[in-house]
Amino acid sequence: EVQLVESGGGLVQPGGSLRLSCAASAFTFSDHYMDWVRQAPGKGLEWVGRIRNKADSYTTEYAASVKGRFTISRDDSKNSLYLQMNSLKTEDTAVYYCVREGYGDYYMDVWGKGTTVTVSS
Amino acid sequence: QVVLTQPASLSASPGASASLTCTLRSGINVGTYRIYWYQQKPGSPPQYLLRYKSDSDKQQGSGVPSRFSGSKDASANAGILLISGLQSEDEADYYCMIWHSSAWVFGGGTKLTVL
Repeated sequence: EVQLVESGGGLVQPGGSLRLSCAASAFTFSDHYMDWVRQAPGKGLEWVGRIRNKADSYTTEYAASVKGRFTISRDDSKNSLYLQMNSLKTEDTAVYYCVREGYGDYYMDVWGKGTTVTVSS
Repeated sequence: QVVLTQPASLSASPGASASLTCTLRSGINVGTYRIYWYQQKPGSPPQYLLRYKSDSDKQQGSGVPSRFSGSKDASANAGILLISGLQSEDEADYYCMIWHSSAWVFGGGTKLTVL
């Protein structure tokens, strides 16, 4: 079964840092573009950013709200996706989802269950 | 400026049809976009339903019933998710999404109540 499992969430103070991980299984991780999407409590979905595959040079794109503070990376040898979050703000409090895009047909087709990040003093 | 606008809520009766709209901001032509639709139930991640650009460019998600379908209203500059034969299990939040200006953009979501 295709699976994405996020980890690394928790409570962090404003201005702090946190690194989220996503472990992928049962598909060829290296083929796929991967995304992070977040959802603040009681709110809608917000795209955080995307990393392409090796064929497309692992290029990244970010939402304006996180650009310069968040960094997406991947390790295809470990079937893992990462989100490094720095200079965290209270408004970054959310459930963070790891998401796969379809291979060759780019849309978000598989979602993890999410990990919760709380930014509070 | 909000790119995608969805009504916050919609109510419909079991067995009826529900039309959920996703209106693109003025200046962004709905005809040029693939519109993706997701369903999210409380406590669960979103699930892909379908995408629609045109009758020749559409895709149903794996296992998604045919009573979920997509269309567009060019005059309203909007994408539409039509759910026919509403069932209680269709009660959920629904989000539209497009790829615009090198970013995935979500609508604010519509909470569908089946009562």
